[in-house]
Amino acid sequence: AQKVTQAQTEISVVEKEDVTLDCVYETRDTTYYLFWYKQPPSGELVFLIRRNSFDEQNEISGRYSWNFQKSTSSFNFTITASQVVDSAVYFCALSEMGTNAGKSTFGDGTTLTVKP
Amino acid sequence: NAGVTQTPKFRVLKTGQSMTLLCAQDMNHEYMYWYRQDPGMGLRLIHYSVGEGTTAKGEVPDGYNVSRLKKQNFLLGLESAAPSQTSVYFCASSRQTGTNTEAFFGQGTRLTVV
Repeated sequence: AQKVTQAQTEISVVEKEDVTLDCVYETRDTTYYLFWYKQPPSGELVFLIRRNSFDEQNEISGRYSWNFQKSTSSFNFTITASQVVDSAVYFCALSEMGTNAGKSTFGDGTTLTVKP
Repeated sequence: NAGVTQTPKFRVLKTGQSMTLLCAQDMNHEYMYWYRQDPGMGLRLIHYSVGEGTTAKGEVPDGYNVSRLKKQNFLLGLESAAPSQTSVYFCASSRQTGTNTEAFFGQGTRLTVV
């Protein structure tokens, strides 16, 4: 069975601080996809990134960066110079290769609060 | 460019009542999903569909039924609502391709069963 663990339930930072959200996963599959989604206070789910299990290159998109380490089954998400608008719940998710993206196993989420 | 639309957005039911949640997508996606989200938890898959006329059970299917009569619509039914079904329900859709793609989510339906 697949499992995604986001050990940090809540994180609070002051604006402009860097913050890293941890994600650890378990799967018996050798190939899989990992995702991060953002859920702002308005409630919708916003896709942030998808990573293939065979691509361990780190990725940077503006203030966001992701560190995928297959050896430790981790897919951590870093926000650099955080802003108040980054306040949201962030979900890490895992899906099998060959099945579609929506049929994913989600972590319980990390609530990030960025204070001005 | 509506994407995924859920109807209604809010609903209060009495225990034992029935209702249907509607999900409509205009992206011609093959796959559609219903999730529930409870406080402090991630999303859990209720049922999903890989194409028109097909449905399958997810992680927490008990107490729910679904139908996919048209490709663009995916209905979630509660035949006899229970307080344990108080939750936020999300519908999602995604493409059927050789490589995995992200899911597009609706705005959610907040259901309270009293």
